[in-house]
Parts: sequence; C-alpha cells; structure tokens
Amino acid sequence: EMVLTQSPGTLALSPGERATLSCRASQTIAKNYFAWYQQKPGQTPRLLIYGVSSRAPGVPDRFSGSGSGTDFTLTISRLEPEDFAVYYCQRYGSSPGLYTFGQGTKLEIK
Amino acid sequence: EVQLLESGGGLVQPGGSLRLSCAASGFTFSTYAMSWVRQAPGKGLEWVSVISGSGDGYTYDAESVKGRFTISRDISKSTVYLQMNSLRAEDTAVYFCARGAFSNGLYPFDKWGQGALVTVSS
Repeated sequence: EMVLTQSPGTLALSPGERATLSCRASQTIAKNYFAWYQQKPGQTPRLLIYGVSSRAPGVPDRFSGSGSGTDFTLTISRLEPEDFAVYYCQRYGSSPGLYTFGQGTKLEIK
Repeated sequence: EVQLLESGGGLVQPGGSLRLSCAASGFTFSTYAMSWVRQAPGKGLEWVSVISGSGDGYTYDAESVKGRFTISRDISKSTVYLQMNSLRAEDTAVYFCARGAFSNGLYPFDKWGQGALVTVSS
C-alpha cells in the first residue's frame, strides 16, 4: 500500500513569505505521476500541479512543484492572502491502489 | 463549460444502500476517466473508485470500499454512478465526483462536482 506523508501538518507564515510544503511517499512514484491540490474552506479541491512540476491552467507561477522518487515539494514563492488553505499531495494512475492522497498541510496566516 | 452535478446523497441507516449520480456536461464524457472522492467531516481527501474513459470502462476501487461500492457509467446520459451497499458509519462523508485531467488515461482530477453529503447513522 502506498502512503503519502505530508509535512508539516500546519504551517504558519505571513503574506509575502515563501512556503515550502513536503510530501514523502512510502514507495517510489512511477512516471512522475504526482500532483498537488489546494482546498479552501467550503470549496472543492483545485488541481495546482501535475506530473510533479507542471502547473494546471490558470495557476499562478508563484506555485511550483519539484522532486522525484519518494520526496516531493510544493513551493509558493511569495504568499498572497488567497493562498492560505489546505494543500494535498496525490499519487495517481499507477499501482498499487491507483490513487493516494496525503493527509494535508494547513497553511495558515501567522 | 465543464460541469459535474452530483445527486442522491442523504441519510441512511448502517447496513443500508444508496446510489449517487453525477451528471456531466461540457466535454466528451466517454473519453475521460471519472472518479469518486470522499471527504469525511473535518478530514482529508480519500479516493474511492474510478472508471476509465476507454471503451471497456475498466473500474478500480479503494480497499476500504471494495466489495461494497460499485462505480458505473451511462455514456448515453453522460452520468457516472456510485452504488453504495452495506454502508457503515465510517462511510459518512461528502462524496465528490471528479474528472481526470486528460482523456484516455488515469490522471489527476481537474474538475470536481460540488459534492453530495452521505450520512450513515441510526
């Protein structure tokens, strides 16, 4: 079974700061089938990054993804007020289990 | 514009059944994989089931629902379903239908419905 562990659980930063969110997989993720989502309270998740580092349409370039193998990072270069939300990592499209989400990192205003 | 509209949520007793529907529009439904993802109150996202966009409608379920939930689709109605049987309290969640981001493969989810609340309680 694939497990994705996100850290930290909660991250408190101020607007304008740089945010670094991590996700570690229990097994190597094949073919860079790795994504990040943002979810704000009361809203549905929004796809930010797919294929480790490709931004989904309409996603600002302050969001970037990196990593390989078992360790992945979402970086937000300069936080805007609308960026404070919960972020989830995801492995998709390959065995075992096809799809797995991390438990989420809450990014809150300091 | 892509739209996904879930229906069929509600209150059901433990051991009962419920069927969720997700009506899709604004894209070629038959070529995209469709999934169900759930979110228990105050908790994270959990993928539930997927049906592929290929002609054979390949399906795959999470271990937590295997043997109890069945995903299916009606291409003529552009609708995907989730039949949920033997429901348990831990199945209580908002259930989202979600579309794979690209056709003809299993991709992350770029479009989401607004969700249907399923409450399992006596």
